Amino acid sequence: GAGVSQTPSNKVTEKGKYVELRCDPISGHTALYWYRQSLGQGPEFLIYFQGTGAADDSGLPNDRFFAVRPEGSVSTLKIQRTERGDSAVYLCASSLRQDEQFFGPGTRLTVL
Amino acid sequence: DAKTTQPPSMDCAEGRAANLPCNHSTISGNEYVYWYRQIHSQGPQYIIHGLKNNETNEMASLIITEDRKSSTLILPHATLRDTAVYYCTVHSNYQLIWGAGTKLIIKP
Repeated sequence: GAGVSQTPSNKVTEKGKYVELRCDPISGHTALYWYRQSLGQGPEFLIYFQGTGAADDSGLPNDRFFAVRPEGSVSTLKIQRTERGDSAVYLCASSLRQDEQFFGPGTRLTVL
Repeated sequence: DAKTTQPPSMDCAEGRAANLPCNHSTISGNEYVYWYRQIHSQGPQYIIHGLKNNETNEMASLIITEDRKSSTLILPHATLRDTAVYYCTVHSNYQLIWGAGTKLIIKP
């Protein structure tokens, strides 16, 4: 079956612009997670959805970051007024229960 | 939050067992240890997880010490395709708490 997919695979933007990153989880997975991974480091938790609601958004670094999952499936991570420090790989994962998380390939965001 | 500590890199000869250590001395009693690996430019891939008992699946074995302060991931017969960064993580409720991982290089 299809795994977690993320689009775009690469995104280059200019400082100050707005970007949206999309995640399509595995069908039927109610839990969805966003992580951010900087070069040479492990992923860093951003936000967790259970169904349509954000159960924990404590990892979002500031109010420029926002994520939605309106129908409990696809999720979009939105970043306003991008900064160079936002450059990283943004990973999405989904799970059926609060256990094994299945990761997508990530979106590499570069802010110039 | 519990944190994990791993050696930054390790080498292993092809066909031999690769033993990857991890310290998680601040782990809580209900937190699981999960192992993932990440091959260059791909998302992390689940390997195995455990709470107290040793676990084995088709990919690997996980040995957890009795005090749960450390664990070892064992790849019994490493192949060149096992070259990757291996992450030992603590599963706290729904969050995975990641360290910097061990870069494992399998040499022919």
